[in-house]
Amino acid sequence: DTGVSQNPRHKITKRGQNVTFRCDPISEHNRLYWYRQTLGQGPEFLTYFQNEAQLEKSRLLSDRFSAERPKGSFSTLEIQRTEQGDSAMYLCASSLGGSGTDTQYFGPGTRLTVL
Amino acid sequence: LAKTTQPISMDSYEGQEVNITCSHNNIATNDYITWYQQFPSQGPRFIIQGYKTKVTNEVASLFIPADRKSSTLSLPRVSLSDTAVYYCLVHNTDKLIFGTGTRLQVFP
Repeated sequence: DTGVSQNPRHKITKRGQNVTFRCDPISEHNRLYWYRQTLGQGPEFLTYFQNEAQLEKSRLLSDRFSAERPKGSFSTLEIQRTEQGDSAMYLCASSLGGSGTDTQYFGPGTRLTVL
Repeated sequence: LAKTTQPISMDSYEGQEVNITCSHNNIATNDYITWYQQFPSQGPRFIIQGYKTKVTNEVASLFIPADRKSSTLSLPRVSLSDTAVYYCLVHNTDKLIFGTGTRLQVFP
């Protein structure tokens, strides 16, 4: 399968713990995006990368959230000191880049539950 | 970013054509219209994108009138597997703004 992959698919953690998610984009895709989706809502943009550079961050991305894409390939999203309000599906997407209307291909998501 | 309005839900039967209309009165000249489909516990899947007039691919058609203030996603002969949430987005950048979408339920 050459699509976007995300690991883990599910994560249950206790409030206050740190968690890290990984996203592997479609190979040769330059842009990588993170979204968050809560039940009954559409995905909300968090941040995106052009290669290894983080180009934009949403106000939703508090100081407890950090995303990296160190070599311009896979990306990690870390949440420190998790709160119950962080419970959501975290989605990753990738695109070729170069145009604001490039198709974004989404991964299956990581469902986070904070107890 | 343009705001979109779409019906919260729609029902249909297998074999029927389904048309989902999205309103985007404040669409900008350089905005494109993109539709995504999402099944439960999966990421959204790109369906179709257009700028004006009509676009057709192997799964859907997108109709956009001349004023571009609305668009209609047409799904021919739906099946049970088309039961999903459909999102209409209007954008000219990489930052996609999703609304709550239209929940389509297809009955046998």
